[in-house]
Amino acid sequence: QQQVKQSPQSLIVQKGGISIINCAYENTAFDYFPWYQQFPGKGPALLIAIRPDVSEKKEGRFTISFNKSAKQFSLHIMDSQPGDSATYFCAASMTGNQFYFGTGTSLTVIP
Amino acid sequence: ETGVTQTPRHLVMGMTNKKSLKCEQHLGHNAMYWYKQSAKKPLELMFVYNFKEQTENNSVPSRFSPECPNSSHLFLHLHTLQPEDSALYLCASSQMYVDQPQHFGDGTRLSIL
Repeated sequence: QQQVKQSPQSLIVQKGGISIINCAYENTAFDYFPWYQQFPGKGPALLIAIRPDVSEKKEGRFTISFNKSAKQFSLHIMDSQPGDSATYFCAASMTGNQFYFGTGTSLTVIP
Repeated sequence: ETGVTQTPRHLVMGMTNKKSLKCEQHLGHNAMYWYKQSAKKPLELMFVYNFKEQTENNSVPSRFSPECPNSSHLFLHLHTLQPEDSALYLCASSQMYVDQPQHFGDGTRLSIL
């Protein structure tokens, strides 16, 4: 059973637009939600992370929105750039124990 | 060096060969992981080592054999692999029991002939 469900599978956005990737989870024991960015030929790299005691976290053009009651969280990329073209993974864990990953979203930003 | 280093970056082997993948982390973490990443599939957790002890083995075939001699080094020994084992193998490390992310290496691209 997929512990973390991610959508969409792929996303095409115009340069300057907003990219939105959504994730949902079932296990209410999860208490740490990171997002990873992966470029071809590289391993996933931490982009931004949130804990369930806050509803939003922003770092530059990247924002995580967290809805605890709906058990959903999303990544928003503002002013998307061609250099943001990559695969994005959401994840969830319980106090640093085993991490559960979404299936990934391939983002393409068109110049 | 910093972070998580994996060697080799690319490996081509026949189905009867024996080879090993190596991972080294310089982050002082106490847990290390092996993942398999195949195209259009989610990351598959293979093995977890916590303080050098294997704590997870997600029904991985015995042709994959992990070894963790200390908290900084992790190996994946390969023998008699199948074509469907061709994938990107990622190593990661983290500090268990703390709300901190996993850190990944850049992986070994494995091709089975």
